[in-house]
Amino acid sequence: GQNIDQPTEMTATEGAIVQINCTYQTSGFNGLFWYQQHAGEAPTFLSYNVLDGLEEKGRFSSFLSRSKGYSYLLLKELQMKDSASYLCAVLDSNYQLIWGAGTKLIIKP
Amino acid sequence: IAGITQAPTSQILAAGRRMTLRCTQDMRHNAMYWYRQDLGLGLRLIHYSNTAGTTGKGEVPDGYSVSRANTDDFPLTLASAVPSQTSVYFCASSDGTGDGYTFGSGTRLTVV
Repeated sequence: GQNIDQPTEMTATEGAIVQINCTYQTSGFNGLFWYQQHAGEAPTFLSYNVLDGLEEKGRFSSFLSRSKGYSYLLLKELQMKDSASYLCAVLDSNYQLIWGAGTKLIIKP
Repeated sequence: IAGITQAPTSQILAAGRRMTLRCTQDMRHNAMYWYRQDLGLGLRLIHYSNTAGTTGKGEVPDGYSVSRANTDDFPLTLASAVPSQTSVYFCASSDGTGDGYTFGSGTRLTVV
């Protein structure tokens, strides 16, 4: 079966750095996405990795290792508005997105 | 309209009633999707359409039907609603590039 694993909840302090991990087992791989979802709102696109390595976009970076079936999302200089759920999703061999259950990130002052 | 519009925003529905959730996009994306999101389970694909005139079943299609008469519209119908269909429903579209999916704002459905 196909499986995406990420921690259910994480807590971090404003101004700090947090890393959210995602491991996956899917039938084929055509890229990995990270989405941000604030409570009661729709998911919004953060990043896309299809090759190994680190992609940096402002305060957010995403890393991929295809051989390990592993990705992480790194958030720097945390702000209160970063409190949200972060969803990891893999595009499988049929170009369908397989979603993790999401990681709820709580930012404390 | 900018992006994807879903209607209604929320609905309380009596069990056994028929309901259509509407989804319209103005980005000319070929692919469209319907997901349900339940606490602790993440997004689960109900039905999808890769292009106008075609549809396919996702992970949890039972009790739902869709149609794709044109590029812009992708309605989801619950023929006879049951309480287990209480959920938040998201419509999404994609142009097949690495920009991912664009989501509508969701429909919160409660079946009583």
